[in-house]
Amino acid sequence: EVQLVESGGGLVQPGGSLRLSCAASGFTFSTYEMNWVRQAPGKGLEWVSYISSSGSTIHYADSVRGRLTISRDNAKNSLYLQMNSLRADDTAVYYCARAQLQTFDYWGQGTLVTVSS
Amino acid sequence: DIQMTQSPSTLSASVGDRVTITCRASQSISSWLAWYQQKPGKAPKLLIYKASTLESGVPSRFSGSGSGTEFTLTISSLQPDDFATYYCQQYNSLWTFGQGTKVAIK
Repeated sequence: EVQLVESGGGLVQPGGSLRLSCAASGFTFSTYEMNWVRQAPGKGLEWVSYISSSGSTIHYADSVRGRLTISRDNAKNSLYLQMNSLRADDTAVYYCARAQLQTFDYWGQGTLVTVSS
Repeated sequence: DIQMTQSPSTLSASVGDRVTITCRASQSISSWLAWYQQKPGKAPKLLIYKASTLESGVPSRFSGSGSGTEFTLTISSLQPDDFATYYCQQYNSLWTFGQGTKVAIK
């Protein structure tokens, strides 16, 4: 069974940092592209970042480029999102999502990041 | 950047109704469009990809159509489990979601 489990969310002050993790199981993680998608409270879905299976290709949404960094460790079946210079509008539930044929076929349960003083 | 616009934002319907949601892209995306269903407090679920291909396990009452800039998601006979929010997503150039359509009980 495919499972994606996010962790690392919490309350952080504006300007602070946080590192999210996504533990994958039930599939060969190293062969799949992965993404982070976020959803602000009561709002819609926003794609945040993509990483290829090897980690050699990375894309970011304009709203996060230069502040958020995606990475992966295929030996540990894990995906990461390093979040720096956090702002109030980064407050959201962050989902990791597996990509299959460029669509997102499996999602984690999400982890809430709250940026507030 | 490609913008995705869904309509309506909310619709009220009854069990058994035929429901149609429209999604428009700001430029042609060929058939690179997916539909997702999301229930409160849960992660989105992939329903349809490549505009009209049903994901495995998704009931056949869901169907998708369109190409270029205009797409539709149709639920042929609304069931109690279908009350949720639906999002379209383009993947022609990176990824962009529509703002969502909430299907509520009439």
